[in-house]
Amino acid sequence: LAKTTQPISMDSYEGQEVNITCSHNNIATNDYITWYQQFPSQGPRFIIQGYKTKVTNEVASLFIPADRKSSTLSLPRVSLSDTAVYYCLVAPPGNDMRFGAGTRLTVKP
Amino acid sequence: EPEVTQTPSHQVTQMGQEVILRCVPISNHLYFYWYRQILGQKVEFLVSFYNNEISEKSEIFDDQFSVERPDGSNFTLKIRSTKLEDSAMYFCASSGGVVTYNEQFFGPGTRLTVL
Repeated sequence: LAKTTQPISMDSYEGQEVNITCSHNNIATNDYITWYQQFPSQGPRFIIQGYKTKVTNEVASLFIPADRKSSTLSLPRVSLSDTAVYYCLVAPPGNDMRFGAGTRLTVKP
Repeated sequence: EPEVTQTPSHQVTQMGQEVILRCVPISNHLYFYWYRQILGQKVEFLVSFYNNEISEKSEIFDDQFSVERPDGSNFTLKIRSTKLEDSAMYFCASSGGVVTYNEQFFGPGTRLTVL
């Protein structure tokens, strides 16, 4: 499984766009990039998944450059309720996922 | 919206006792997982289960742990002889049969406290 590196923590303010970058230099050809969100005392929740270029859903966008060695999760106009830990995972579809430490995002008023 | 449910929400047990944590995955899902999260630490993969057998397990999932799908709806994790270090939040997850996505649906968790 590819190793991922992401910032331990980030701060932002309400209404701002937040970009969290994840490095995955040894990503394999059949790996997908998946992001999860976890609130305190809750299970992780799927946000978005992509293979290359850009993916957008109602919650976030995921930008993946051509070499796929990194990816950026973009959260538009964050609110206080977006305060959570965000995990970047890299694995083939249907494979078991191994969570890293994640990025603790704190959104301030 | 369908969801994964887990019972109990909190289990307190004495060291050395057996515990069974129960999960009801989403009904048409085929893949089932258990994870644990020690307070303040990362989510750790324990085991995955498909077609009535374990498909992968981590180094944490030793002989003290077992999983079972006793009927068409429940998925259980048994810890035979609990240790203090087993105190953690245990999450069950399930995913559908179309393996083009790594979208796993997590339950709310069972907080296990071993005294």
